Amino acid sequence: DAKTTQPPSMDCAEGRAANLPCNHSTISGNEYVYWYRQIHSQGPQYIIHGLKNNETNEMASLIITEDRKSSTLILPHATLRDTAVYYCTLNYGGATNKLIFGTGTLLAVQP
Amino acid sequence: EAGVAQSPRYKIIEKRQSVAFWCNPISGHATLYWYQQILGQGPKLLIQFQNNGVVDDSQLPKDRFSAERLKGVDSTLKIQPAKLEDSAVYLCASSFDVEVRTDTQYFGPGTRLTVL
Repeated sequence: DAKTTQPPSMDCAEGRAANLPCNHSTISGNEYVYWYRQIHSQGPQYIIHGLKNNETNEMASLIITEDRKSSTLILPHATLRDTAVYYCTLNYGGATNKLIFGTGTLLAVQP
Repeated sequence: EAGVAQSPRYKIIEKRQSVAFWCNPISGHATLYWYQQILGQGPKLLIQFQNNGVVDDSQLPKDRFSAERLKGVDSTLKIQPAKLEDSAVYLCASSFDVEVRTDTQYFGPGTRLTVL
């Protein structure tokens, strides 16, 4: 069973920031939060990951709450090409490095 | 850097037939994963290899699915015989080293299987 909860869909205006929430209230201390996205008919694309601290890269920013029970992925200036399903998942690590995906959030960027 | 390669991209078969999918991971990646993604759902891990050894195959339906990675590079996933419920996208992913705690997985484009 997925250990993350995300809204099924969200809309965002082109050029505005897209803020995608994720709840992971049962996260354990050594589990990382990973974000992937999947554009139609493609494989999932890695975006960003983090453990405790906020992270930023060229694609997005990841904000993790202090209690680590939720996080937000921020796309600072959404474009039409950012329309995709966004998955928040936890890395169980250890011997398997397993990712368990939920159903994700379909982000529709509107012109 | 070349990404994960998969073939074929699409396959249509009749139920009870067999099918095989091929994956070539990113060069130098020791760990290879096969996922099944049913329409409307997120990917589900079927099997994970570390070099040519199996790390996790707990979700692989072993009565009909098999996978191998004989030389620790390319991998093949086979279904025999296929059922209607096997219709899905089969994704291959690779990562550098499962021993690394935050080992990012990189996915291929997938093979879309339709079983009629």
